[in-house]
Amino acid sequence: AQSVTQLGSHVSVSEGALVLLRCNYSSSVPPYLFWYVQYPNQGLQLLLKYTTGATLVKGINGFEAEFKKSETSFHLTKPSAHMSDAAEYFCAVSVSNQAGTALIFGKGTTLSVSS
Amino acid sequence: DVKVTQSSRYLVKRTGEKVFLECVQDMDHENMFWYRQDPGLGLRLIYFSYDVKMKEKGDIPEGYSVSREKKERFSLILESASTNQTSMYLCASRAFEGASTDTQYFGPGTRLTVL
Repeated sequence: AQSVTQLGSHVSVSEGALVLLRCNYSSSVPPYLFWYVQYPNQGLQLLLKYTTGATLVKGINGFEAEFKKSETSFHLTKPSAHMSDAAEYFCAVSVSNQAGTALIFGKGTTLSVSS
Repeated sequence: DVKVTQSSRYLVKRTGEKVFLECVQDMDHENMFWYRQDPGLGLRLIYFSYDVKMKEKGDIPEGYSVSREKKERFSLILESASTNQTSMYLCASRAFEGASTDTQYFGPGTRLTVL
């Protein structure tokens, strides 16, 4: 069965510091991987995704993630945190690309940014 | 822009009541999903639908049913609400025209409290 593990339910950084949110997946077939962000009292918004091709994926708001098959990882990074990045972040995997396949989400990581 | 709307942002119901949560998308997507979100548990899939009148159980379907009579509308039904169904409910629709377009779009969520 496919699964996603997000290491660290809460990450705190200072404004301007590197952001690193960790995600490991389990899949028996090549996965499609996603990062979503949820701001307070809002739904989820897609940050970036990996389906095929280049393993370094750039998303919105300066975030990027690298698919590493050998490590079964898809960690999310941003070089310099901004106060507006404070939110909850979810990693998700969709193994099959056929109609009817849903995403499996990790439990989420809350990012706090201090000034 | 894709728009997914949910009928209520906040809802308070009593134990035993029948509850309807409505979700509407405006992009002619075939796939639609209902998740519940709980602190520390992330998003868990309740049901999804890959076409009109079609539905599939997700990971936690017990106590829920769904209805999809029209492509744009996907309803979640709590047959007899219980306090353990107090949660945030998120609806999503999926765009898929190939791997590069595979994205789920989320509504703002309905925070349901069952007393």
